Amino acid sequence: EVQLVESGGGLVKPGGSLRLSCAASGFSFSDYSMNWVRQAPGKGLEWVSSISTSSSYIYYADSVKGRFTISRDNAKNSLYLQMNSLRAEDTAVYYCARDLRGGSYPDYWGQGTLVTVSS
Amino acid sequence: QSVLTQPPSVSAAPGQKVTISCSGSSSNIGNNYVSWYLQLPGTAPKLLIYDNNKRPSGIPDRFSGSKSGTSATLGITGLQTGDEADYYCGTWDSSLSAVVFGGGTKLTVL
Repeated sequence: EVQLVESGGGLVKPGGSLRLSCAASGFSFSDYSMNWVRQAPGKGLEWVSSISTSSSYIYYADSVKGRFTISRDNAKNSLYLQMNSLRAEDTAVYYCARDLRGGSYPDYWGQGTLVTVSS
Repeated sequence: QSVLTQPPSVSAAPGQKVTISCSGSSSNIGNNYVSWYLQLPGTAPKLLIYDNNKRPSGIPDRFSGSKSGTSATLGITGLQTGDEADYYCGTWDSSLSAVVFGGGTKLTVL
């Protein structure tokens, strides 16, 4: 069974930093591209970033480019999102999601972790 | 403003059929596969349809997907109260090099 478990969310002040983690199990992690997708309270889904299997291809939404960094450790079956210079508008539930085939869209999603940016 | 356009809401009676549209462009729906997701309140999105019209294991055949040109459609037949949820379309945008989603459609089963 595919499982994706996010952690690392919490309350942070504007301008602060946070690192999210996603622990993957139930599939061959190194064979799949991965995504971070967020959802602000009461809003729709917003894709944040994608990373290919060997980290050769990395993409970001314009709204986070230059502030967020996606990475992965295939030996640890883990995905990460380093978030710097956080803003109030980054407040959202952040989902880790497996990509169906790379350059496509998510198939399996984690349960999400809430990030709140507030003073 | 989402790259893909969905109606904000749709409604129908139990047992009836409903369709949800998703409109895009040649850089996304027109040249890439489309997915559909269901999101119940307080839960993570769940894949309903992939590659335009395929259903993952466990998804009933009441749910169907189709694509024509730069638009896609999700169909749900035999509506149940448990189908009340938010539905999102998604795909890859080759010009943006990004996953793009519709703004979501809230389904109400009256």
